Amino acid sequence: QVHLVESGGGLVKPGGSLRLSCTASGFVFSDYYMNWLRQVPGKGLEWLSYSSDSGSYTRYADSVKDRFAISRDNAKNSIFLQMNSLRAEDTGIYYCARGTTYNWNDLNYWGQGTLVTVSS
Amino acid sequence: DIQMTQSPSSLSASVGDRVTITCQASQDINTFLNWFQQKPGTAPKLLIYGASNLQTGVPSRFSGSGSGTDFTFTISSLQPEDIATYYCQQYESHLTFGGGTKVEI
Repeated sequence: QVHLVESGGGLVKPGGSLRLSCTASGFVFSDYYMNWLRQVPGKGLEWLSYSSDSGSYTRYADSVKDRFAISRDNAKNSIFLQMNSLRAEDTGIYYCARGTTYNWNDLNYWGQGTLVTVSS
Repeated sequence: DIQMTQSPSSLSASVGDRVTITCQASQDINTFLNWFQQKPGTAPKLLIYGASNLQTGVPSRFSGSGSGTDFTFTISSLQPEDIATYYCQQYESHLTFGGGTKVEI
């Protein structure tokens, strides 16, 4: 059974940093593309970043490019999102989501999310 | 980017009603479309993939159809546990979501 668990969210001041983690189980993690997305409460879903299975290829949304960095540790079945220079508009629930073994954008499983609040 | 226009944004129906949600893509996406269900406080759950394929374990009252630019998601007989927001998501080019449809009873 596929299971994704995010952690690392919390309250941070504008300009601050936060590192999110997502630990996976129930599948061969190193075979799959992984994504980070977010949802502003009461609003829609926004894709942020993806990592290839090996971690050698990554891509970012324009809204977070140059501020956020995705990485993964396949030995620990984990994917990370380092978030720097945080802004109030980065507030939201952050989800990791699994792609497939060949499509980063065909999402099928999501974690339960972790809340990030950027406020002074 | 491909824009996904989902309608209605909300609807109210009775238990047992047939519920239909539509999603229109700004360009041809073939059948590269998923439908997700999100209940309050929980993560989105995949219901339909490839526009019309039911994800394993999902009740058969849920269905999807369409190809190209026009897609339909249907709940054949609305149940109380179906109260949620439903999203379409295209994956033909990059990744974009519809705005969501909140289903209430």
